[in-house]
Formats: sequence, C-alpha cells, structure tokens
Amino acid sequence: GENVEQHPSTLSVQEGDSAVIKCTYSDSASNYFPWYKQELGKGPQLIIDIRSNVGEKKDQRIAVTLNKTAKHFSLHITETQPEDSAVYFCAAISPGGSYIPTFGRGTSLIVHP
Amino acid sequence: DAGVIQSPRHEVTEMGQEVTLRCKPISGHNSLFWYRQTMMRGLELLIYFNNNVPIDDSGMPEDRFSAKMPNASFSTLKIQPSEPRDSAVYFCASSLDVGDTQYFGPGTRLTVL
Repeated sequence: GENVEQHPSTLSVQEGDSAVIKCTYSDSASNYFPWYKQELGKGPQLIIDIRSNVGEKKDQRIAVTLNKTAKHFSLHITETQPEDSAVYFCAAISPGGSYIPTFGRGTSLIVHP
Repeated sequence: DAGVIQSPRHEVTEMGQEVTLRCKPISGHNSLFWYRQTMMRGLELLIYFNNNVPIDDSGMPEDRFSAKMPNASFSTLKIQPSEPRDSAVYFCASSLDVGDTQYFGPGTRLTVL
C-alpha cells in the first residue's frame, strides 16, 4: 500500500520567515495530495490541495509543489504569522488504495512572534 | 453549513464501561470515516462507510469496537468494554464521495481510567 513520509516532525520559525514541509510517497499511481492544518483542540482542516496534473498551486501565502518523478510534494508558507502555528498533515490518495488518503505523521509548526 | 458534528466533545469513563461516540456528517455527503488520533500512532482510519454501507473495517482494532450508520445523517462508534489504551481523540470525517476532500469534525477526546 501507499506509504507517506513527512519531515520535519517539528519546525520552529520566527514571524515573517518562510516554512517548508516536505512529504514523500511510495505509490506512483497517487494522484491527489491534500494538506490539512490542525489547530489545538480542533479537527484537521483542508488548507490546500494539488492534483497530479499540475506542478504547483498557490493560495495567498500558501503554496504546494509536486514532483511526480521524485514522488515528493511540499507545503510552502511565506511571511509566517503566529496564527500559522499548528500541526500540518500531508496526505496522498491513490486509486490502488481505494481512494482512501494515507496521512503523514504531521509537522508541528511553531511561529515565534 | 454546520460542518461535521460530533458528540460528546469530551468523554471520561472507567475501564469496562460502554462508550458511544456520535457523528452527523455534512448533508449530501455520501462517505463517512472514523479516525483515531494518538501521539504514538498518529491518525489511523478505523472504518469507513459509503452510502451508509460499511466498506472497510480493517482498521478497527478489536471486536470491542463496532460502528453503525443507520441513515445518511447519523453514525455511531461504540467501544464495549472500554480499556485505558482506547484513550485517544476520535474524529469523524465526511466527503461527497470516496476519494473527494474529507471534512473533519471537532473530535471526541476519550479518556478511559
């Protein structure tokens, strides 16, 4: 089945800096990659996603890039703010996995004011 | 839209007691998922339903766990008898269909003493 590795497990940045979280996947048939943000005491919420037919997608300060050849995708947050502090999860969805997402273990992002 | 609704938000019980967690998916969504989140194991899929029918329950840890979806707007996850190692946050998520973006509820934090 699909295996998703996520790094780093924790990331500490100063307000205004950029943050990058990287994920690799094993199933070359995976074609949908959502990213979730989980704030303390809440459920994960979708923040951005990308499909395998594009290499990059951007939404204001958040962007996701996908390299299908290398089987990795990354979340980029620019001009970080304290409210970006949360746990971020990547996921990969493959037809071979019955379209059920395989989640990474999460990255705890801390933005220091 | 109200989003996915879960109850209770917190549950504290003693070992051996029966616990029932409840979920109301987003109206119009055909797929419903139950997850368990712990520090040790991350986010684990327990079971999912499509059109009220259980499709894959391979993630259910033991026979002590059972889930039902009697109609399109309600699902339960039951643990009987509960054990301390069942302590975790349990999330319900729903999506339009399997493979579509999943929307998570706020979770139920279960503590078994």
